[in-house]
Amino acid sequence: GAGVSQSPSNKVTEKGKDVELRCDPISGHTALYWYRQRLGQGLEFLIYFQGNSAPDKSGLPSDRFSAERTGESVSTLTIQRTQQEDSAVYLCASSLLAGERETQYFGPGTRLLVL
Amino acid sequence: TQLLEQSPQFLSIQEGENLTVYCNSSSVFSSLQWYRQEPGEGPVLLVTVVTGGEVKKLKRLTFQFGDARKDSSLHITAAQPGDTGLYLCAGALTGGGNKLTFGTGTQLKVEL
Repeated sequence: GAGVSQSPSNKVTEKGKDVELRCDPISGHTALYWYRQRLGQGLEFLIYFQGNSAPDKSGLPSDRFSAERTGESVSTLTIQRTQQEDSAVYLCASSLLAGERETQYFGPGTRLLVL
Repeated sequence: TQLLEQSPQFLSIQEGENLTVYCNSSSVFSSLQWYRQEPGEGPVLLVTVVTGGEVKKLKRLTFQFGDARKDSSLHITAAQPGDTGLYLCAGALTGGGNKLTFGTGTQLKVEL
């Protein structure tokens, strides 16, 4: 089927507003990851979901960031009270199994601009 | 603190030239991956190396994992404009679970 999809593709918001980003992983993939990528830079790990296990939230930069995943399907990343430094591309990836050697398949990302 | 440093940060070359991109760390990785990312898209996996000293070839691309599993290199022979993109290395730290630590990235431009 289709690859990882993300929506919206672009989001412009005002400082202080909340935003919600959506990720639809590849069907059957048990692991789902969120990353942040600032302009021209590498990816910064945010959070990881694996099946029904407790998510690894160690990369979330502040308590304004949260994410949820329903079973092995859609995930949403929520940023509350957005700040200008939150402007970045937010990438979602999924993999069939959990494991450091597993191939992660990335979505096209959501470009967030906080004015 | 950036665990994985890539060099060079930017590289602009002519078609047909060879190039090498380096990915260095003071940490030991159980495996290391290389990705290429084009504008407006997510990264796409090129290769995974898991054994110290391992060399993998993918057409004109040669990937090497350092003996101590702290560094890696990507060599491109006879670069083509289609090789243009952001190259990212990413490593799984020993005992770090499933998280990948990404490098700082190398932006490659190959001109005609």
